[in-house]
Amino acid sequence: EAGVAQSPRYKIIEKRQSVAFWCNPISGHATLYWYQQILGQGPKLLIQFQNNGVVDDSQLPKDRFSAERLKGVDSTLKIQPAKLEDSAVYLCASSLEATYQETQYFGPGTRLLVL
Amino acid sequence: AQSVAQPEDQVNVAEGNPLTVKCTYSVSGNPYLFWYVQYPNRGLQFLLKYITGDNLVKGSYGFEAEFNKSQTSFHLKKPSALVSDSALYFCAVRGRGANNLFFGTGTRLTVIP
Repeated sequence: EAGVAQSPRYKIIEKRQSVAFWCNPISGHATLYWYQQILGQGPKLLIQFQNNGVVDDSQLPKDRFSAERLKGVDSTLKIQPAKLEDSAVYLCASSLEATYQETQYFGPGTRLLVL
Repeated sequence: AQSVAQPEDQVNVAEGNPLTVKCTYSVSGNPYLFWYVQYPNRGLQFLLKYITGDNLVKGSYGFEAEFNKSQTSFHLKKPSALVSDSALYFCAVRGRGANNLFFGTGTRLTVIP
């Protein structure tokens, strides 16, 4: 079974530029998550989708971050404009359902450096 | 509010010795507890989880964890450490009614040959 796929793996941009990350979850997984992991910290949830609807985006900085999952499969996370403090690893995860005990499976992440 | 504490940033253990990585949590109601491992330049890999039932949970690669409700702990253990176990370990908790996993800050495990 293929895991969660993410691209690109690495991205370097200058502040105020825009950037987009792509995620393809495990086949059949209805729930998709985007996490931000800053160096030295644990991952923090940015947004959660159930199929193509948003379940929780309370931690998403909506003035600069946006995400979509139009067909309920793959998803895109965008930052526009980027700030220095956005330098982090962006992790995508998926789970079969959104129930509390469901295991989340993570992709390899996209490492973003904002200069 | 939910929180997770991993009191040790770094744990060193000799190969072949038992290892323990500590985790304590705070959550309203019954917790769902998870351990993940992160190797360099890779995402988080699921190791094991506690949902209900037996307090001793067995997971991947010979790891196990013991849920202790009175001490609000979920320590990760392995009877005999391997050099290949060297990685960053994250404990996470999800309370009933919470949408997301809440992660600790991670513990770096180094197994010394």
